[in-house]
Amino acid sequence: GAVVSQHPSWVICKSGTSVKIECRSLDFQATTMFWYRQFPKQSLMLMATSNEGSKATYEQGVEKDKFLINHASLTLSTLTVTSAHPEDSSFYICSARLGRPPYEQYFGPGTRLTVT
Amino acid sequence: AQTVTQSQPEMSVQEAETVTLSCTYDTSESDYYLFWYKQPPSRQMILVIRQEAYKQQNATENRFSVNFQKAAKSFSLKISDSQLGDAAMYFCASLFGNEKLTFGTGTRLTIIP
Repeated sequence: GAVVSQHPSWVICKSGTSVKIECRSLDFQATTMFWYRQFPKQSLMLMATSNEGSKATYEQGVEKDKFLINHASLTLSTLTVTSAHPEDSSFYICSARLGRPPYEQYFGPGTRLTVT
Repeated sequence: AQTVTQSQPEMSVQEAETVTLSCTYDTSESDYYLFWYKQPPSRQMILVIRQEAYKQQNATENRFSVNFQKAAKSFSLKISDSQLGDAAMYFCASLFGNEKLTFGTGTRLTIIP
């Protein structure tokens, strides 16, 4: 199956700093990638849809100036959490979608962000 | 709006037994896809099985099979010969057209040795 990598797997940063998370599709090209946030014992919450070469589409309630998404190539999307605060601490998961039916999504292993 | 409902927050099954996880969905679309994802303690989301709505035959992947009832908008997952490695959160998800996945709230499955 298709493989999606995510880096780093965990990161600790100080409040007020920014942190970048990378998501790569290793063996296929993904015109669309997704970023999710998952709180403990809850389902995945979609934050934004990232399309290669265009601006990301954010879900309602997600601050686009805080969560910057860049999808510069068909295999790489990045999520930058700017001016991080402790409430941004969470588990962030990316996924990459095949560009043809059934449009299966393959998920990265996730990044645990802790803001101190 | 599309919705996916998983009414069982937790389930448990004896090792080697069979368990069925429930999922219902709501849509007015005629063409869509349904998925079951597994999230073990590592938190890596893994695709377990997929069903195309236009196919009447229920999908099967080794010990995993679905009971797809299109009229009832039901999509249950049956796990046969349960193994300890099956312990995980299971999420039902739907995809309508070229849109985003809609996830259910998940069912935590415990395997009793």
